[in-house]
Amino acid sequence: KQEVTQIPAALSVPEGENLVLNCSFTDSAIYNLQWFRQDPGKGLTSLLLIQSSQREQTSGRLNASLDKSSGRSTLYIAASQPGDSATYLCAVKDQAGTALIFGKGTTLSVSS
Amino acid sequence: SQTIHQWPATLVQPVGSPLSLECTVEGTSNPNLYWYRQAAGRGLQLLFYSVGIGQISSEVPQNLSASRPQDRQFILSSKKLLLSDSGFYLCAWSGGGTIYFGEGSWLTVV
Repeated sequence: KQEVTQIPAALSVPEGENLVLNCSFTDSAIYNLQWFRQDPGKGLTSLLLIQSSQREQTSGRLNASLDKSSGRSTLYIAASQPGDSATYLCAVKDQAGTALIFGKGTTLSVSS
Repeated sequence: SQTIHQWPATLVQPVGSPLSLECTVEGTSNPNLYWYRQAAGRGLQLLFYSVGIGQISSEVPQNLSASRPQDRQFILSSKKLLLSDSGFYLCAWSGGGTIYFGEGSWLTVV
């Protein structure tokens, strides 16, 4: 059974710092991996989607990498801003391609 | 463009009462539909998914059920709520790639 783990559970950084969020999964036979952002009490917003054949995706200050063989993904946030404060969730879709399995998230706090 | 609507946004229900949460998707056809629950201190838990009308797969045994009476409508129900059903319920859809979530429904069972 696929399990997704995110480390750290919480992270506090000063504004302007570059940071890395980690995600690991137990079964490397994935279809894709997706990173989401969740603001308190809100739904999820998709940030980046990496197909199993890809190694990374970039959007603005965000860069997500995927190492399928080792079961790892990282989300890199450059020049963090207070508006980046949120919970970041990683999720994988198995090769059956039906549903996403989520990690518990990393709650990021960026102070000004 | 595609949109997803989920309601009600918030509800407080007594133990033993019924539940109905509704989700509709616009701007796409034959989407995969999902219900997730996010309980306090826990991750997102997949409850049900559907790949077509009347096709429901359950991931977790519980007193909840789901139905898909129309292509773009997904309903989460319970006949008798338990305290442990409290949480944040999220409906989502995908066309095979990116998954998109609704704004969620906060359920408090008292």
